[in-house]
Amino acid sequence: GENVEQHPSTLSVQEGDSAVIKCTYSDSASNYFPWYKQELGKGPQLIIDIRSNVGEKKDQRIAVTLNKTAKHFSLHITETQPEDSAVYFCAASFGSGGYQKVTFGTGTKLQVIP
Amino acid sequence: EAGVAQSPRYKIIEKRQSVAFWCNPISGHATLYWYQQILGQGPKLLIQFQNNGVVDDSQLPKDRFSAERLKGVDSTLKIQPAKLEDSAVYLCASSLDRGMYNEQFFGPGTRLTVL
Repeated sequence: GENVEQHPSTLSVQEGDSAVIKCTYSDSASNYFPWYKQELGKGPQLIIDIRSNVGEKKDQRIAVTLNKTAKHFSLHITETQPEDSAVYFCAASFGSGGYQKVTFGTGTKLQVIP
Repeated sequence: EAGVAQSPRYKIIEKRQSVAFWCNPISGHATLYWYQQILGQGPKLLIQFQNNGVVDDSQLPKDRFSAERLKGVDSTLKIQPAKLEDSAVYLCASSLDRGMYNEQFFGPGTRLTVL
């Protein structure tokens, strides 16, 4: 089955600096890579996603990159703010339509220091 | 639009007792997922329903866990009997079925502590 590794497990940055979280996956059939943010006491919430036919996607301060050959994908947050503090999960998914198997990474706890 | 609802939010039981969790997905979402999230780990899929049929239950410990979604809307997950290692947050998620890439919307979860 799919295996997703995520690094680092914890990350502390000063407010305004950038944060980068990296993930690798094992199954070349995976075709969709969502990123989730989980705040304390809440369920994960999708913040950005990328499909296997795209190398990069950006949404305001957040960007994701995907290297299919190396099976790597990364989340970049620029100009970090205290409200970015949370646990971030990468995930790899394969399937289509109603069947979609999502495997999550182990999470990165991001702390933005004001 | 109302989100995914789950209850209870917290549950404490003794080992070998039984427990049930309830989930009401977003209206119109055909697919429903139950995940187990152990402290410090990512969510792990237990079971996936499409309408009221099971699509994937390969990681569900069927000797003690069961789930149903009788009318294709809300769902219950049951553990009987519970073990210490079942302590976790149980997350329910739902999604529309529109093409290949379907965003999953998560509920707040039920935190289970088994003593």
